[in-house]
Amino acid sequence: GEDVEQSLFLSVREGDSSVINCTYTDSSSTYLYWYKQEPGAGLQLLTYIFSNMDMKQDQRLTVLLNKKDKHLSLRIADTQTGDSAIYFCAGRGQGGKLIFGQGTELSVKP
Amino acid sequence: DAGITQSPRYKITETGRQVTLMCHQTWSHSYMFWYRQDLGHGLRLIYYSAAADITDKGEVPDGYVVSRSKTENFPLTLESATRSQTSVYFCASSETSGRTAGELFFGEGSRLTVL
Repeated sequence: GEDVEQSLFLSVREGDSSVINCTYTDSSSTYLYWYKQEPGAGLQLLTYIFSNMDMKQDQRLTVLLNKKDKHLSLRIADTQTGDSAIYFCAGRGQGGKLIFGQGTELSVKP
Repeated sequence: DAGITQSPRYKITETGRQVTLMCHQTWSHSYMFWYRQDLGHGLRLIYYSAAADITDKGEVPDGYVVSRSKTENFPLTLESATRSQTSVYFCASSETSGRTAGELFFGEGSRLTVL
């Protein structure tokens, strides 16, 4: 089945770029996703990328997909304190279920 | 209001008791999911449902029961709660995968403590 791995913590200074990395095992996922979870809340979709794309840019967010290495990354430019949250990557497994990584806690220091 | 709602938001129970967490969505989404979130494990899928009367196991189904008699409801029951089931539980729903990007919409979570 699908397995998704992420590093657990990332700390950056305000204004710097953040790069959150993810590796996955199932290359049949049509879409790969990034979700954001703020404290005490559920997850919200941040962005997603179709599996036949290499890159997707959405304002301060850049998603890079390396299908050969099964590696997905999320870059946040000009990181703000409001970006502090847990970020989850996810891929679709069999039957349409979404499988999440462990989540990367991003801490942004002023 | 439209959306996906979970109840109760907070629950404390004792080992061995039966607990039911409710999930209701107003979008008529086909898919519904139950995840549990634990430190160091991220979100793990417990059960999911592709449509009314269709359910399937996820990664960690043991000790849980679900039903989907109506499209909008997907209750999760812990038949005999154990301390290891102390967690935050999230319900989610999505459109049929394949027609859309399949974004999941999450409820706010139900924090369960088993003493």
